[in-house]
Amino acid sequence: DQQVKQNSPSLSVQEGRISILNCDYTNSMFDYFLWYKKYPAEGPTFLISISSIKDKNEDGRFTVFLNKSAKHLSLHIVPSQPGDSAVYFCAASALSGGKLIFGQGTELSVKP
Amino acid sequence: EPEVTQTPSHQVTQMGQEVILRCVPISNHLYFYWYRQILGQKVEFLVSFYNNEISEKSEIFDDQFSVERPDGSNFTLKIRSTKLEDSAMYFCASSIFTGTPGGYTFGSGTRLTVV
Repeated sequence: DQQVKQNSPSLSVQEGRISILNCDYTNSMFDYFLWYKKYPAEGPTFLISISSIKDKNEDGRFTVFLNKSAKHLSLHIVPSQPGDSAVYFCAASALSGGKLIFGQGTELSVKP
Repeated sequence: EPEVTQTPSHQVTQMGQEVILRCVPISNHLYFYWYRQILGQKVEFLVSFYNNEISEKSEIFDDQFSVERPDGSNFTLKIRSTKLEDSAMYFCASSIFTGTPGGYTFGSGTRLTVV
């Protein structure tokens, strides 16, 4: 049951360039989408979220785009920095339930 | 910044033994969760807890699992008779509301190894 999918297990980007991480979902009941960053041996850390009533949310170097018709969201990091190297998880929730459904994660490597 | 604290950070147990994983959520949070991540796999929802009762649980959360909030601060996950496949990172999380825009705050996790 893969309601949230991140099809790229890894991504390598040069420092200063844009990183684009993608996520697809199948459940149209999802109305909140979140991105988490995770380092080894640590818990997921919240990065940015977007409600289904919006199509874009920006916070500093991080922007999340939501395309509801395509059931697709993406996280843009610009400019990418070596400290951004981590595993990024996309997650979705339906407000009524509250539980998060996670994607498989994308390991981002930003090279100096 | 407020934190969710989990203890122990690593627990090794023999198959068939009971384990209790402990969590101290953020003090003004009302919703509590357990998730787990088997090595190399996605983070999976186990259970949510609100107002001293389970509000939702996944199919993973069978009769071997239980949760408790024994006092005003701790939130525990008990696995009654551990199996090898219970080996995973277990994350506790808490939030003020469900679906809060800021998401949850996760703890650093307990690595459970069943041998």
